[in-house]
Amino acid sequence: SQQGEEDPQALSIQEGENATMNCSYKTSINNLQWYRQNSGRGLVHLILIRSNEREKHSGRLRVTLDTSKKSSSLLITASRAADTASYFCATTGGGNKLTFGTGTQLKVEL
Amino acid sequence: KAGVTQTPRYLIKTRGQQVTLSCSPISGHRSVSWYQQTPGQGLQFLFEYFSETQRNKGNFPGRFSGRQFSNSRSEMNVSTLELGDSALYLCASSLEQGANTGELFFGEGSRLTVL
Repeated sequence: SQQGEEDPQALSIQEGENATMNCSYKTSINNLQWYRQNSGRGLVHLILIRSNEREKHSGRLRVTLDTSKKSSSLLITASRAADTASYFCATTGGGNKLTFGTGTQLKVEL
Repeated sequence: KAGVTQTPRYLIKTRGQQVTLSCSPISGHRSVSWYQQTPGQGLQFLFEYFSETQRNKGNFPGRFSGRQFSNSRSEMNVSTLELGDSALYLCASSLEQGANTGELFFGEGSRLTVL
């Protein structure tokens, strides 16, 4: 079963704009990770944030984590057409496995 | 460094048949996990192997099985295929501690269609 929901399910923006997607989860976690998937291909790891961290940056990516609300957000700044993909949050909380959210489909238009 | 390699990339089977999928992890990675992705259920964990031992198992019927060899390569098998087994099967490798402490490296997947 999936851990939680991602919001929005789909997002369409113009190149250069920022994209924000949110993830909610249900149980306590060790860490939360974000992955990108281009149309039916493998997943690519973007960033990992540990349960004792509140914010993390990597290039144009900014991730926040609020364990009291069991939620996380991923911000992609200055979006490019190449950012068009599905984005998934995934948590680990016990056992060496990822529990994925439902995903956000991002489309960045020129 | 070569990435995670999955074979075959695409395959078509009929109901009742069985299928074996293969995964070669990144060199030096000893943990291999398998995930199923379908439009209805999303991404779901199947199982994880480390040093030839199944370390974790998801909520899938016994028709789904796997194994890992001494060189860390892994195979998964689905017997008595059902239409609902049509999915993208993703393999991921990682260093010893796996998802609990670090990222997983995914292959491109094996897309199985059951007719």
